Amino acid sequence: AQTVTQSQPEMSVQEAETVTLSCTYDTSESDYYLFWYKQPPSRQMILVIRQEAYKQQNATENRFSVNFQKAAKSFSLKISDSQLGDAAMYFCAYRNHWKEGANSKLTFGKGITLSVRP
Amino acid sequence: EAGVTQFPSHSVIEKGQTVTLRCDPISGHDNLYWYRRVMGKEIKFLLHFVKESKQDESGMPNNRFLAERTGGTYSTLKVQPAELEDSGVYFCASSLTRQGAGEQYFGPGTRLTVT
Repeated sequence: AQTVTQSQPEMSVQEAETVTLSCTYDTSESDYYLFWYKQPPSRQMILVIRQEAYKQQNATENRFSVNFQKAAKSFSLKISDSQLGDAAMYFCAYRNHWKEGANSKLTFGKGITLSVRP
Repeated sequence: EAGVTQFPSHSVIEKGQTVTLRCDPISGHDNLYWYRRVMGKEIKFLLHFVKESKQDESGMPNNRFLAERTGGTYSTLKVQPAELEDSGVYFCASSLTRQGAGEQYFGPGTRLTVT
């Protein structure tokens, strides 16, 4: 079974600074997807960024980028130029690459609460 | 385009009562998932529908939970009878496909409190 670990329950960052959120996972699969979801205080969870395991290049989405280390099973999220609107809970998640008979569920970490100081 | 909606947003019931949660996925999304987050713990998968069929219900905790998706549109999750440990936030998600990244779009969740 796959597991996702987010060991930091909380982090704080100064507005305009950079912060890195850590995530490790465990799987015996070689092909899979990793995601970072953001859940603002209003509770609707949205996808921030995703990484396909077979792609070596790290994914980027504007101010958000990941550091994907497949051998180390590490998937950290870097937020550059932090903004007040980035304050939220962030969840790291894993999903198997789809194939017949495989499940497509997301496996989540416990989440990390990020606060942004003005 | 409307996102995933869930009703109610909050529900407070007494132990032993019945509660039904509803999820309306994004129109055209065949895949519908239920997840649950108990306070302080991970978001856990409950089950997955493809259209009206249960594809994977390995996460359902026990037979007090019953999920349906009649006609392959909206889904309901009934808890009967509710226990204290059922308290938490129940999320619904939908996706167009399971293939590729199969991005799942989440609803705002239903916060269930069992007293």
